[in-house]
Amino acid sequence: DIQMTQSPPSLSASLGDRVTVTCRASQSIDTFVNWYQQRPGEAPKLLIYLSSRLQSGVPSRFSGGGSGTDFTLTITNLQPEDFATYYCQQSYMTPYMFGRGTNLEIK
Amino acid sequence: QLQLRQSGPGRVRPSETLSLTCSPSGFSVTTGNYYWTWVRQSPGKGLEWIGHISHTGSTNYNPSLKSRVSLFVDTSKNQLSLRLTSVTAADTAIYYCARDSGLGGAWFDPWGQGALVTVS
Repeated sequence: DIQMTQSPPSLSASLGDRVTVTCRASQSIDTFVNWYQQRPGEAPKLLIYLSSRLQSGVPSRFSGGGSGTDFTLTITNLQPEDFATYYCQQSYMTPYMFGRGTNLEIK
Repeated sequence: QLQLRQSGPGRVRPSETLSLTCSPSGFSVTTGNYYWTWVRQSPGKGLEWIGHISHTGSTNYNPSLKSRVSLFVDTSKNQLSLRLTSVTAADTAIYYCARDSGLGGAWFDPWGQGALVTVS
């Protein structure tokens, strides 16, 4: 299985800040990484697919990048609704695996 | 707009079989080359991909559950279903269904509201 190591597990930031979450795959996976946001009590929501493609309806302050084994999700100009948990997911091969999540909290 | 509505028992006794359904509205399960994926979420194991199924019935399961899980698609009812046999406390989780973009990317959007299943 391809493991996804996500960091940091938690992150504190202020409104208007820029933050970056990283995921490292246990082997090269080209650009087959997707990112999700999950608010408490809700289902995950797709933000970014294929490493850098912004899902329709997602604000442009979200961006993704990377290829091979190292990937990033960056959020600029943090808004109140952005404080949530973020997950990466590899879709290079089954079984599709998720990172353990990054809990973004208000400082 | 596609929405996925899930239903399930809430509680299942150990060693019994868990059955869940997922009903897309505003979208036919036979449209396009999508797959339909199931994911579960528990505090101890995070998000775990269970498997996916195409509208033709082609399946792929997580090896960790392969011996106990079955996915089905009923095109006449426009409904998806999951069956997990011989459940234990470790199967306690929120179970989600989602539309899967299919081979060549496998991103999941949208997701159902989730069904909490407690094994006790």
